[in-house]
Amino acid sequence: ILNVEQSPQSLHVQEGDSTNFTCSFPSSNFYALHWYRWETAKSPEALFVMTLNGDEKKKGRISATLNTKEGYSYLYIKGSQPEDSATYLCASGGSNYKLTFGKGTLLTVNP
Amino acid sequence: NAGVTQTPKFRVLKTGQSMTLLCAQDMNHEYMYWYRQDPGMGLRLIHYSVGEGTTAKGEVPDGYNVSRLKKQNFLLGLESAAPSQTSVYFCASSPMRPVSLQPQHFGDGTRLSIL
Repeated sequence: ILNVEQSPQSLHVQEGDSTNFTCSFPSSNFYALHWYRWETAKSPEALFVMTLNGDEKKKGRISATLNTKEGYSYLYIKGSQPEDSATYLCASGGSNYKLTFGKGTLLTVNP
Repeated sequence: NAGVTQTPKFRVLKTGQSMTLLCAQDMNHEYMYWYRQDPGMGLRLIHYSVGEGTTAKGEVPDGYNVSRLKKQNFLLGLESAAPSQTSVYFCASSPMRPVSLQPQHFGDGTRLSIL
């Protein structure tokens, strides 16, 4: 994998459903993996920064896991609510100053 | 608590005109970035700065120039605007520690249309 790839591109779920999506990134020269939540007409807001293989982080109903050896991270949302509707971005950082962003997963939670 | 502030929020230009987008941050961050966001393309890095007086090219630097004369400000210039530069521009900043370990703080974006 040369770039940061996210799947699915978009996702529709019903309120109360749990969901998850994937971020794949180059496993070589890995330094950190970021997750951001981006609501329409607002700016991206950081959710998690993860660095260690096997890392798992949680914020309320949202959690994320990291596998640096195979180059993927999962973001989970438990009991989705309409206010969770947003684009979820992941970004991979190497040992330089830059992050490479994926194209995002657009989540729509229907009431 | 302002964070990262971008001005202007909206602008319409004619092809060939020039303009400067301003990004200001009040968090004393060392690193600052300019991204563009286009449909289906995600965030792409235009230029970045690792400190006052320094700038570097990102992924899509052509047609843009930047300056970081003061630590808190990062300016993005379009010398001769082209329709291909129609986009939403985001500025971001992060602290001095290895940047990959720190989340980036984003401004609200500037929506720029080139006719």
